[in-house]
Amino acid sequence: EAGVVQSPRYKIIEKKQPVAFWCNPISGHNTLYWYLQNLGQGPELLIRYENEEAVDDSQLPKDRFSAERLKGVDSTLKIQPAELGDSAVYLCASSLSGDDNEQFFGPGTRLTVL
Amino acid sequence: GQQVMQIPQYQHVQEGEDFTTYCNSSTTLSNIQWYKQRPGGHPVFLIQLVKSGEVKKQKRLTFQFGEAKKNSSLHITATQTTDVGTYFCAGGGQAGTALIFGKGTTLSVSS
Repeated sequence: EAGVVQSPRYKIIEKKQPVAFWCNPISGHNTLYWYLQNLGQGPELLIRYENEEAVDDSQLPKDRFSAERLKGVDSTLKIQPAELGDSAVYLCASSLSGDDNEQFFGPGTRLTVL
Repeated sequence: GQQVMQIPQYQHVQEGEDFTTYCNSSTTLSNIQWYKQRPGGHPVFLIQLVKSGEVKKQKRLTFQFGEAKKNSSLHITATQTTDVGTYFCAGGGQAGTALIFGKGTTLSVSS
């Protein structure tokens, strides 16, 4: 069975440019998470979906970040415009329904903003 | 808000020595999960503890959940070079709230 798929794996952009990340969770996993991970830090939740509904987006900087999971499967995270401080690894994870289940992480997208 | 703290931040051991990392929460947890992230990799689930005082073992790894459900530990017996990586604890709060990850303990092992 395929794991969580993310693309691209690496992205380098100039500041003020837009960028988008894509995630395909494990089949049958209703819960999808987007995390941000800075070097030497643990994953920090940006947004959590239950099917197509965003149930926790309190940590998402909504002035520049947006996310969608239109059909309750794939998800896209967008930053517009990107800032230097957005350089980090963006991890997508999925789990069976609920917030207490084991999370399966994708390989992440490493974003560098110049 | 809920915070999860881990100590130490870094630990270097000689192969064969034991290793322990500690996780403390500012609030009572519903459950705690442990993940391992190899250098350049992504977090991989190790275990979940739910009950007060629970102890679980996986080969050389022993996980404990405190009686008050506010702290946890991971102990590795006789470390091997394959144990290298960063170990994260992640605490679950009240129902409906997301896991909060600690900053992790990075383990290095020299042979």
